[in-house]
Amino acid sequence: DGGITQSPKYLFRKEGQNVTLSCEQNLNHDAMYWYRQDPGQGLRLIYYSQIVNDFQKGDIAEGYSVSREKKESFPLTVTSAQKNPTAFYLCASRDRPIDVGELFFGEGSRLTVL
Amino acid sequence: KQEVTQIPAALSVPEGENLVLNCSFTDSAIYNLQWFRQDPGKGLTSLLLIQSSQREQTSGRLNASLDKSSGRSTLYIAASQPGDSATYLCAVLTSGTYKYIFGTGTRLKVLA
Repeated sequence: DGGITQSPKYLFRKEGQNVTLSCEQNLNHDAMYWYRQDPGQGLRLIYYSQIVNDFQKGDIAEGYSVSREKKESFPLTVTSAQKNPTAFYLCASRDRPIDVGELFFGEGSRLTVL
Repeated sequence: KQEVTQIPAALSVPEGENLVLNCSFTDSAIYNLQWFRQDPGKGLTSLLLIQSSQREQTSGRLNASLDKSSGRSTLYIAASQPGDSATYLCAVLTSGTYKYIFGTGTRLKVLA
């Protein structure tokens, strides 16, 4: 089955620790995205990548980092610099061309800082 | 700056009713608009994608329309069922960008 796999589904972190959320897709999509979702707010873009070895900051990139070494993988690291990391994190991917490509999402990872 | 608004924020209807969810956006220069469904604690499921050149798309009991000139899209759900209960989000991809802008969603509850 083609799709997007996020892991872990739930993650608990102590303050001051970095954590990495995994996102893997087997859809052969070029573009990948990371979003953050908080209660009562829309999805906010953290980082996005249109192609391997290239990525751009979204609207709330501070305290986060990403890499795109392989087409199918786009891991997100939540660093200790992120002041309020408790949230639901969603990874998405989209095929080209941009005007007709449909956005697909993984099941999400819920991060809780203790 | 593109802004996307969904009204109402919540909606409760009896089973069998036809209903309309609204999505409005401020910049009409878009590549496409997409409707999603989200169940509690889950990711988003794509329902319908409307390209900027299209006026509507249909899938089963769902019909989405797009009026770029007025900055509006509607999602029509026919003969609603309790299984339709979820949050519905729309997202717009503005021309010249790679960034989708999401509305905050409409939380739908269909009562049996």
